[in-house]
Amino acid sequence: ETGVTQSPTHLIKTRGQQVTLRCSSQSGHNTVSWYQQALGQGPQFIFQYYREEENGRGNFPPRFSGLQFPNYSSELNVNALELDDSALYLCASSFTSGQPYGYTFGSGTRLTVV
Amino acid sequence: SQQGEEDPQALSIQEGENATMNCSYKTSINNLQWYRQNSGRGLVHLILIRSNEREKHSGRLRVTLDTSKKSSSLLITASRAADTASYFCATDGIQGAQKLVFGQGTRLTINP
Repeated sequence: ETGVTQSPTHLIKTRGQQVTLRCSSQSGHNTVSWYQQALGQGPQFIFQYYREEENGRGNFPPRFSGLQFPNYSSELNVNALELDDSALYLCASSFTSGQPYGYTFGSGTRLTVV
Repeated sequence: SQQGEEDPQALSIQEGENATMNCSYKTSINNLQWYRQNSGRGLVHLILIRSNEREKHSGRLRVTLDTSKKSSSLLITASRAADTASYFCATDGIQGAQKLVFGQGTRLTINP
C-alpha cells in the first residue's frame, strides 16, 4: 500500500511519561522526517533520517529521539513529556536524490499531555 | 522559529472566485513548496518551484516565485468548496538535509 501511515492517531499521556510514535514510509522512499505542529501554527522540523542515520535536527531537546529501520519505517520517541509537547506530530517521507521532491505526509498523531 | 510568513492569515471568498495567498521568507532557498492541510490532518503536497523558476502551473494552481523579493504567491482559480483548507508555504534552503521550514499558513474558506 502506498502512502505514509502513522500510529496511533490519538494519544493521551501524563506529564513525565514517555511516548513512542510510529511511521511507515511510502514505498520507494528512503528518507523520513518528523515535524511537530502546535495548534494554529505551521509544522516545525524535529529531525530527519536517511539510511538509518540522523541527517539533520531542528531546535528540539535531546529528549526527542528517533530511529529509522532497514525497511525505512521510523519511530519518534519523546521522554519526560511536558505539557507543551501537546501537538500534532507529522511524519513525512521522501526520496533523497539529486533532484528536489515534494514530501508525502502521514495524517499525524495527535498527542495530548495532561 | 518560522522561516516564512503567509499573508493573509485568513481568507474567505465565494465559490468560483480566485484566491491568492502570499508567502515571504528570509534566507536563500533551493526550492519552495506549497502544501494544503484539511482540518488539522496531514499535509498534501501541491506544487514545488525551484529557485531558478519564476512561475509554475498545476491544474487550477499557479505559483510564482520572486527570489529578489524573497516572496511567492499561490493562486487558486475558480475556487470550490473542497478547496477550504489551510495552505502552507515551505522552503528548503539547507543543503543535504532537505529540511522544510514552514510558514504559519493561510486559512482559506470557500463559501458556497
